Amino acid sequence: DTGVSQDPRHKITKRGQNVTFRCDPISEHNRLYWYRQTLGQGPEFLTYFQNEAQLEKSRLLSDRFSAERPKGSFSTLEIQRTEQGDSAMYLCASSSTGTTRQFFGPGTRLTVL
Amino acid sequence: KNEVEQSPQNLTAQEGEFITINCSYSVGISALHWLQQHPGGGIVSLFMLSSGKKKHGRLIATINIQEKHSSLHITASHPRDSAVYICAVSGVDTDKLIFGTGTRLQVFP
Repeated sequence: DTGVSQDPRHKITKRGQNVTFRCDPISEHNRLYWYRQTLGQGPEFLTYFQNEAQLEKSRLLSDRFSAERPKGSFSTLEIQRTEQGDSAMYLCASSSTGTTRQFFGPGTRLTVL
Repeated sequence: KNEVEQSPQNLTAQEGEFITINCSYSVGISALHWLQQHPGGGIVSLFMLSSGKKKHGRLIATINIQEKHSSLHITASHPRDSAVYICAVSGVDTDKLIFGTGTRLQVFP
């Protein structure tokens, strides 16, 4: 299967801890997106990359959040000093230049206790 | 006011019924997307459209650019159609998606 994969699928952490999530996009896709979805809501945009360049960041992405895509392939999203309000599903999607259709991964569900 | 509004928020139907979910948006778009999300989180793209109408099996999506409105129709609904249906738009100058809050559909046998 060559779809978008995310790891881990679930993460439970204590408030104040750091967490890191990984996303592997479809191999030929040069664009990668991170979204966050809280219960009962639609996803919200966090950031996106074209190749290794981070082109846009949401105001939602506080200083505690950082995302990287060092070689233009997989990406990581790190949350430092987690807070209970960070509990959400973190979704990754990828696409190719020239189309706005995005392919989504299964998500990483974060629970901050 | 959200940039993408969906209605209804929740919808229940009997198997076989015709279903309509509506989406209105207030920003300029390059395309409108209909997505399906099953419990557990996975999101699947159903349609991407910038004009007119598209059909795939029992699903039909329409868009009226002048009215900034789109509808998703499901004909002959089935319990396996039960899911959250999300409308999203991609802007003119960006490919990021702006999402509605979703419509939770339950189809009972």
